[in-house]
Amino acid sequence: NAGVMQNPRHLVRRRGQEARLRCSPMKGHSHVYWYRQLPEEGLKFMVYLQKENIIDESGMPKERFSAEFPKEGPSILRIQQVVRGDSAAYFCASSPGQGGNSPLHFGNGTRLTVT
Amino acid sequence: AQSVAQPEDQVNVAEGNPLTVKCTYSVSGNPYLFWYVQYPNRGLQFLLKYITGDNLVKGSYGFEAEFNKSQTSFHLKKPSALVSDSALYFCAVSRNNAGNMLTFGGGTRLMVKP
Repeated sequence: NAGVMQNPRHLVRRRGQEARLRCSPMKGHSHVYWYRQLPEEGLKFMVYLQKENIIDESGMPKERFSAEFPKEGPSILRIQQVVRGDSAAYFCASSPGQGGNSPLHFGNGTRLTVT
Repeated sequence: AQSVAQPEDQVNVAEGNPLTVKCTYSVSGNPYLFWYVQYPNRGLQFLLKYITGDNLVKGSYGFEAEFNKSQTSFHLKKPSALVSDSALYFCAVSRNNAGNMLTFGGGTRLMVKP
């Protein structure tokens, strides 16, 4: 039973380019969460999605960032016109349900470096 | 708003000794509390959770945590540390009706020396 799969593991982009981060949740999980981790810091919630719906995006920057979780395929976190401050590790997590009885399962993250 | 504080950036302990990693929280309503561990270049792994019931929660790898409502704390403990326990530990909280939208503490690096 494969865990949460994120790709790529490492992504290098020049300022102004677009970054696309992919996340395939665990089998049977329909809830996906994206978190961002700056070096030596904790994880900050970005967005919570269910299939085809954004449930909560209160942690997402208003500009340049977007997320989707289509009916088919992985969840995508998209960052347009990247800047150096976007350099971070981006983690995806999934759960089978919404409640706290369903702990999050995390992927190994995508480390974005903006040069 | 909810928040988590992990007051120690790093905890050093000798192998075989007991360890404690501290966590305090602030949340409206009943808290759901979690501990996760992160190894280098990896995602977070779930250790244990408190939802309701007994204040002492047992989790993976011999870890346990005690929920203290009056002190709003959820300290992580282990009776006898192993070198392999060395990692980054995160405490997290969510409101009981907020599902898995967790708020994480800043993390505590645990160093266990032989």
